[in-house]
Amino acid sequence: DAGVTQSPTHLIKTRGQHVTLRCSPISGHKSVSWYQQVLGQGPQFIFQYYEKEERGRGNFPDRFSARQFPNYSSELNVNALLLGDSALYLCASSLVSRGTIQPQHFGDGTRLSIL
Amino acid sequence: DQQVKQNSPSLSVQEGRISILNCDYTNSMFDYFLWYKKYPAEGPTFLISISSIKDKNEDGRFTVFLNKSAKHLSLHIVPSQPGDSAVYFCAASLVLPSGGYQKVTFGIGTKLQVIP
Repeated sequence: DAGVTQSPTHLIKTRGQHVTLRCSPISGHKSVSWYQQVLGQGPQFIFQYYEKEERGRGNFPDRFSARQFPNYSSELNVNALLLGDSALYLCASSLVSRGTIQPQHFGDGTRLSIL
Repeated sequence: DQQVKQNSPSLSVQEGRISILNCDYTNSMFDYFLWYKKYPAEGPTFLISISSIKDKNEDGRFTVFLNKSAKHLSLHIVPSQPGDSAVYFCAASLVLPSGGYQKVTFGIGTKLQVIP
């Protein structure tokens, strides 16, 4: 079975540009979350989407936005890129059940470098 | 505000011995705790979780212990194997009544090296 797939794997941009990162969840998973991981830190929560609606948002500026499509795939968009946006961007998908946790399954990430 | 803290950046253990990774948290509202393992150039892989209503969960060589009064959890790996060498992340989550997570908060990780 295919795991969570992210594209592209690597990306180089310059300051001020915008970027779109893509994520395809595991088949049957309806929840997708995005994380930013900078070197030496743990993943930082950016967004969670479930059934195409934003369910949670971390402490990131409005330059960061995301959406989820009817097939449950997702895009993360970042506008007006800054040097500090250089990081590994991770997508995770999961099943959803009421009142219990379902482990998130992560893709291998997109490495974004800002010059 | 670091709500999930892993105060040991690294740990070295001999093969066959026990590895103990520690984690502290500050938010008493967390109701699930998880451990993830990460190899270089790969995304984190789920290892084991524990609900806040339990104090122990075991899965093969991996056991997680939760001490709610101390806001502390630990991951025990017995026996440790060289393939366990990786970065281990502790994470905590709130669960929405409607289902799913509110968000998952990760620690900064502990790098485990198991020496053959």
